[in-house]
Amino acid sequence: DSGVTQTPKHLITATGQRVTLRCSPRSGDLSVYWYQQSLDQGLQFLIQYYNGEERAKGNILERFSAQQFPDLHSELNLSSLELGDSALYFCASSRKLGTEAFFGQGTRLTVV
Amino acid sequence: AQSVTQPDIHITVSEGASLELRCNYSYGATPYLFWYVQSPGQGLQLLLKYFSGDTLVQGIKGFEAEFKRSQSSFNLRKPSVHWSDAAEYFCAVAGGNRDDKIIFGKGTRLHILP
Repeated sequence: DSGVTQTPKHLITATGQRVTLRCSPRSGDLSVYWYQQSLDQGLQFLIQYYNGEERAKGNILERFSAQQFPDLHSELNLSSLELGDSALYFCASSRKLGTEAFFGQGTRLTVV
Repeated sequence: AQSVTQPDIHITVSEGASLELRCNYSYGATPYLFWYVQSPGQGLQLLLKYFSGDTLVQGIKGFEAEFKRSQSSFNLRKPSVHWSDAAEYFCAVAGGNRDDKIIFGKGTRLHILP
């Protein structure tokens, strides 16, 4: 158990819908990362927050947004969902910027 | 920009044989380097990390990796693999406090023959 909690574990939704994925980092970790894992694209970095502020952005679509709250949990919002958004979404946390990150078990999103 | 290349998509070894998984990175300064392992349906687990100092680092589950600056490589090794080592292995690079992102390679899937 890494100490990073992601909910829900599985999500099935229809095209055009909006979903919210939630992440609770390890106790004491200030940095949260979001990654998307699909068969054809591998593990893609989406976005990173540190102590509530956005620090780095990767290949995140405009339909996707995220935030980190004062209690340090983070949410990833995916809207106008398409079939191609089906993937595993991982959250990871780290104590300091750019150091080792600890991963949650992921949320498997299926868009039908 | 930082990047990671894992040239082998799949590797198959016999149980008890030695293993080496290759990783090459691109980063302008001294990088922070990691190896993670992912079992099917699971999240990624940190195997080992290199920040500075001794270029040969030991990790969990009997794995080790060697940082070679001249070759921009950070190859993962294990002297004798077990069937339970079958999984996907990811190499990653970060810049520590100088750079926020952790960038992953595309992974190497390890198959073990009995």
